[in-house]
Amino acid sequence: DVKVTQSSRYLVKRTGEKVFLECVQDMDHENMFWYRQDPGLGLRLIYFSYDVKMKEKGDIPEGYSVSREKKERFSLILESASTNQTSMYLCASRGGEKLFFGSGTQLSVL
Amino acid sequence: AQRVTQPEKLLSVFKGAPVELKCNYSYSGSPELFWYVQYSRQRLQLLLRHISRESIKGFTADLNKGETSFHLKKPFAQEEDSAMYYCALSERNRDDKIIFGKGTRLHILP
Repeated sequence: DVKVTQSSRYLVKRTGEKVFLECVQDMDHENMFWYRQDPGLGLRLIYFSYDVKMKEKGDIPEGYSVSREKKERFSLILESASTNQTSMYLCASRGGEKLFFGSGTQLSVL
Repeated sequence: AQRVTQPEKLLSVFKGAPVELKCNYSYSGSPELFWYVQYSRQRLQLLLRHISRESIKGFTADLNKGETSFHLKKPFAQEEDSAMYYCALSERNRDDKIIFGKGTRLHILP
């Protein structure tokens, strides 16, 4: 079974801090994604990557950046966290037509 | 621009009654459509995809290109169907981007 692991389940940070959210998949998938999940807004795509060192902006990339140095790892970076980035962050990798999701990181920015 | 619309935020249905979760899309090409489900305290997971034309847990969905719809149906609701349901669309291009609707919470009443 495919495993997508997000390093933290809960994270509390202060406004202005730099935040790293890590995601690792073990199935050699090329495509990886970062979404944020908010009530009433569904899943919104932040960034995705279709290969090592390749990245594409999603629908809401502002305030975020990503890093894909190795195929199995896709990191989401908040350069200077703000309160409106408080959210559930979901990482996913794609195998064929199917997305495999991590368990999510609930980030609170105070 | 590509878009996935789920018009209902919440749908309450009595156990044993039929269920229909609506999904409409706008896309200029030939899309791949999916339904993902998130049960309480579980990861988001694929329920079904239009290309496989399968029935999972009694749910079916037919792609209607004329109406640009992909509604999810089940003839007899069960309590364990209570969950958050997301319709998703895959863009067939180099980027392999997948976008989601805002989701519908299905609540099965006893």
